[in-house]
Amino acid sequence: NAGVTQTPKFQVLKTGQSMTLQCAQDMNHEYMSWYRQDPGMGLRLIHYSVGAGITDQGEVPNGYNVSRSTTEDFPLRLLSAAPSQTSVYFCASSLGGAAGELFFGEGSRLTVL
Amino acid sequence: GENVEQHPSTLSVQEGDSAVIKCTYSDSASNYFPWYKQELGKGPQLIIDIRSNVGEKKDQRIAVTLNKTAKHFSLHITETQPEDSAVYFCAASTGTYKYIFGTGTRLKVLA
Repeated sequence: NAGVTQTPKFQVLKTGQSMTLQCAQDMNHEYMSWYRQDPGMGLRLIHYSVGAGITDQGEVPNGYNVSRSTTEDFPLRLLSAAPSQTSVYFCASSLGGAAGELFFGEGSRLTVL
Repeated sequence: GENVEQHPSTLSVQEGDSAVIKCTYSDSASNYFPWYKQELGKGPQLIIDIRSNVGEKKDQRIAVTLNKTAKHFSLHITETQPEDSAVYFCAASTGTYKYIFGTGTRLKVLA
């Protein structure tokens, strides 16, 4: 079992460029989510999905898009990168149902110049 | 909006001593309180959690206590070891998967 796999681990973008952070899980989890981690601010929820075809916004959704076409994959798209999106991004998944353990990927460090 | 405050932001203890990290939440409907440990360069991992119908939970050297009246919960680590050095996050949820995380505590265990 690979768990939650994120790619790429590191990325540098120029302002205005677009890119997609990939997230895949092999645990057949219904729930998947994206967080960003910034110094002194903890983990903040960007978008989440409770199953294929269903997505919703978290605390800080502006500037990001998501889709969930399969149970396994939950990509995060930055449409026009801004320096404020410089952060470490974590994908997390969970079985579903009542709140329970989140399984996190190892993170993707994004720098926007 | 819902908020979780976590203190202290950094904590240094001597090996073998105890460490305590405290969190306060604002939403009285919160009923699930997990604690995550994040080692350098890794994603957070769940170490212990507690639900609102329980006041305390222990797992070997780790314990969590919950005071619903005061809306705060704490992580207690006894007999600390160097491998306990990490960043610890508390979180609160109303039962959905929309967790609100604290800002983290960097724990250093000094040998």
